[in-house]
Amino acid sequence: DQQVKQNSPSLSVQEGRISILNCDYTNSMFDYFLWYKKYPAEGPTFLISISSIKDKNEDGRFTVFLNKSAKHLSLHIVPSQPGDSAVYFCAASPLYNNNDMRFGAGTRLTVKP
Amino acid sequence: EAQVTQNPRYLITVTGKKLTVTCSQNMNHEYMSWYRQDPGLGLRQIYYSMNVEVTDKGDVPEGYKVSRKEKRNFPLILESPSPNQTSLYFCASSYRQTYEQYFGPGTRLTVT
Repeated sequence: DQQVKQNSPSLSVQEGRISILNCDYTNSMFDYFLWYKKYPAEGPTFLISISSIKDKNEDGRFTVFLNKSAKHLSLHIVPSQPGDSAVYFCAASPLYNNNDMRFGAGTRLTVKP
Repeated sequence: EAQVTQNPRYLITVTGKKLTVTCSQNMNHEYMSWYRQDPGLGLRQIYYSMNVEVTDKGDVPEGYKVSRKEKRNFPLILESPSPNQTSLYFCASSYRQTYEQYFGPGTRLTVT
């Protein structure tokens, strides 16, 4: 039962343009959402998070948007750079609890020079 | 350098031969966990540990054991590996269970 879904396995974007990665969830108890980034042969690294009391969180070129009514979040990268090419995992949990965290299957982003 | 290390990085073994994947962190984190990543399924938690001598099952614990005798180490033990345990395994740690996790580089295990 996939409670967190990333329906696009891959995304290709031109350098300098916006990358939008999407994530949907089914569990209405999820309150805390994160994005992790993963390069080949490395473990995932934390990128950005958002709690349900907000609908937007920004960190430099990265912005996460949360639409609780639609159970949808998205990660925007502006402008995209070739170094952003990686697999991006969306994760969600009720409150702040790593025990109950659920991960999506990941989206592979390729940023072309 | 703050890091989570795993060994080995790659392992090919045969069904039934006991193996241990080690995990160590140098950040004095209380919380540690093990995940497996399979195509189309994302990361699924196998076991977690809130502190020394405190461990509990995650979503997919069958066929695995763990121990937490020291704060820095959290080995994953497969007593009798089977082919369905072929996967990419990640160890992770965080300051507390409510904080973002730091992941190790992964261990690719193949059981034939």
